Amino acid sequence: KAGVTQTPRYLIKTRGQQVTLSCSPISGHRSVSWYQQTPGQGLQFLFEYFSETQRNKGNFPGRFSGRQFSNSRSEMNVSTLELGDSALYLCASSLTATNSGNTIYFGEGSWLTVV
Amino acid sequence: AQRVTQPEKLLSVFKGAPVELKCNYSYSGSPELFWYVQYSRQRLQLLLRHISRESIKGFTADLNKGETSFHLKKPFAQEEDSAMYYCAPLPYRDNYGQNFVFGPGTRLSVLP
Repeated sequence: KAGVTQTPRYLIKTRGQQVTLSCSPISGHRSVSWYQQTPGQGLQFLFEYFSETQRNKGNFPGRFSGRQFSNSRSEMNVSTLELGDSALYLCASSLTATNSGNTIYFGEGSWLTVV
Repeated sequence: AQRVTQPEKLLSVFKGAPVELKCNYSYSGSPELFWYVQYSRQRLQLLLRHISRESIKGFTADLNKGETSFHLKKPFAQEEDSAMYYCAPLPYRDNYGQNFVFGPGTRLSVLP
């Protein structure tokens, strides 16, 4: 079956703009989580959604938000972009919530560059 | 604060040499730990989880509660093992609620 797919793969935005990234989980998976990956900070957890509800949230400002739809697809939005938001944004899905111990499957990520 | 540390940012070994990627955790309770790997131009993927006690691609990892460690080991490194390795625990509850946190990662470079 198809893996986790993220769109767009690459994008460039200017400071102050907003961006929406999309994630389609593996069919049947109900949990979607988002991560930010940068060379300096490594992998950082943004938030997790399960059955359209945000279960957990990492330590990121309110400019970072997300949502999950009834078909488990998820979007994350970053408003008022800053240069420091340039990163690889990874989406991951799992059958149930991440704290259940199920394997987490990652997408290839969306590369965001803010200029 | 509860956290996972991987003390080495970069580890270089020669092909055929043993390799050990260190991971230490500092949180209470019974941890469940995973190793994830990211090969060049590939997506992050699960390598192994301690609860399954399996060996994947020759790698093993033992949970040592006394030393609070979950080091990843392989007796004979191969060039195709070159990748970024992340140690990760199951989510724990901290002041912000549950978070799935990865260690900072260790880049393994296996030299010919």
